[in-house]
Amino acid sequence: EPEVTQTPSHQVTQMGQEVILRCVPISNHLYFYWYRQILGQKVEFLVSFYNNEISEKSEIFDDQFSVERPDGSNFTLKIRSTKLEDSAMYFCASSAQGGPQPQHFGDGTRLSIL
Amino acid sequence: QKEVEQNSGPLSVPEGAIASLNCTYSDRGSQSFFWYRQYSGKSPELIMFIYSNGDKEDGRFTAQLNKASQYVSLLIRDSQPSDSATYLCAAGLSGGYQKVTFGTGTKLQVIP
Repeated sequence: EPEVTQTPSHQVTQMGQEVILRCVPISNHLYFYWYRQILGQKVEFLVSFYNNEISEKSEIFDDQFSVERPDGSNFTLKIRSTKLEDSAMYFCASSAQGGPQPQHFGDGTRLSIL
Repeated sequence: QKEVEQNSGPLSVPEGAIASLNCTYSDRGSQSFFWYRQYSGKSPELIMFIYSNGDKEDGRFTAQLNKASQYVSLLIRDSQPSDSATYLCAAGLSGGYQKVTFGTGTKLQVIP
């Protein structure tokens, strides 16, 4: 079964450094998402992306965050200057349609900020 | 703040029993509802989705939606120890919105 793949599985970064999280969505999906889950808390929406632009973002997704689809397969989340509170699991998801439709999640990247 | 509410549990059921997981949502504009299963330290795995009032069955799982009461439920028949996980309820709005709002999840323990 097709799946969303994310790399790396674990990223350790010093506070203030830039980090890029990578995702390969399911190949025929058109909508891409980033979510985060702080340890012990609920899954929170960050951003959705369609047709090479952001379609929706949450209040969490401030100027420190950006997303990009640099080629036909990858979808990235960049955090420009990481803070301690950015430590979380970051999940990429994709769906065939918008609207919203069922979203399929990758295994996540655990981001640890020191 | 539009919310999706779930009892955090744990909900303990014996093996073979029916597990009933409940969820309420506050935004009447919500049109799409999803149940995800999340094992500890893992990512959410889509179990069921439902858009219309009534029941939707898939194997041992039945999702139920009552929009008038703003209530969604998930029934798991013949519960197995492998069903032990946290079950996340999520809701999405109509009108082209992409965002899905998750509840905090209900932890299910199936006792052998």
